[in-house]
Amino acid sequence: AQSVTQPDIHITVSEGASLELRCNYSYGATPYLFWYVQSPGQGLQLLLKYFSGDTLVQGIKGFEAEFKRSQSSFNLRKPSVHWSDAAEYFCAGGFTGGGNKLTFGTGTQLKVEL
Amino acid sequence: EAGVAQSPRYKIIEKRQSVAFWCNPISGHATLYWYQQILGQGPKLLIQFQNNGVVDDSQLPKDRFSAERLKGVDSTLKIQPAKLEDSAVYLCASSLGRSGSYEQYFGPGTRLTVT
Repeated sequence: AQSVTQPDIHITVSEGASLELRCNYSYGATPYLFWYVQSPGQGLQLLLKYFSGDTLVQGIKGFEAEFKRSQSSFNLRKPSVHWSDAAEYFCAGGFTGGGNKLTFGTGTQLKVEL
Repeated sequence: EAGVAQSPRYKIIEKRQSVAFWCNPISGHATLYWYQQILGQGPKLLIQFQNNGVVDDSQLPKDRFSAERLKGVDSTLKIQPAKLEDSAVYLCASSLGRSGSYEQYFGPGTRLTVT
């Protein structure tokens, strides 16, 4: 069965430090993958997406993610975290022929220490 | 471009009462989704529409939940009667629904509390 796993429930980083949030997927076919961010009381905002082609994708707010087929991973990175990045981050995936459906991970709560 | 609109933003009801949520997707988006997000979890798909037809409602508790998208635009999700375990955020999302356009755009959600 298709699945998306986010191994870290909570992560705390200091402002200005680098960030990496992990996401692993399990799909038989090549997946398309997304990262979303959710601030308290808000809906999900799309940060970036991977469909095919270049495995390093750039998103909004200075985020990037790298698709690594050999590791079944799609980790989210940011070189320098700002206090406003504190939020919950969700990785989601689907696959061509899967009916435009997404499977979401359980989320990683990011705390930023000043 | 206007985003996905949802109302109400918050709703508190007692168990066994009924409640309805409304969603207006991004203009031109053929596919509409309703998700349930329980605190501490990722969104779980309840129902997916393509225009005004149901594509997938396998996770919808049909004994108490219903949804419609009559004219292929707005949608309503109803719960009747509500249970305590229905307390969650209900998210609506939309997408173009065409091959190669898989990203979904989300509304702000409706936070439902059942007491």
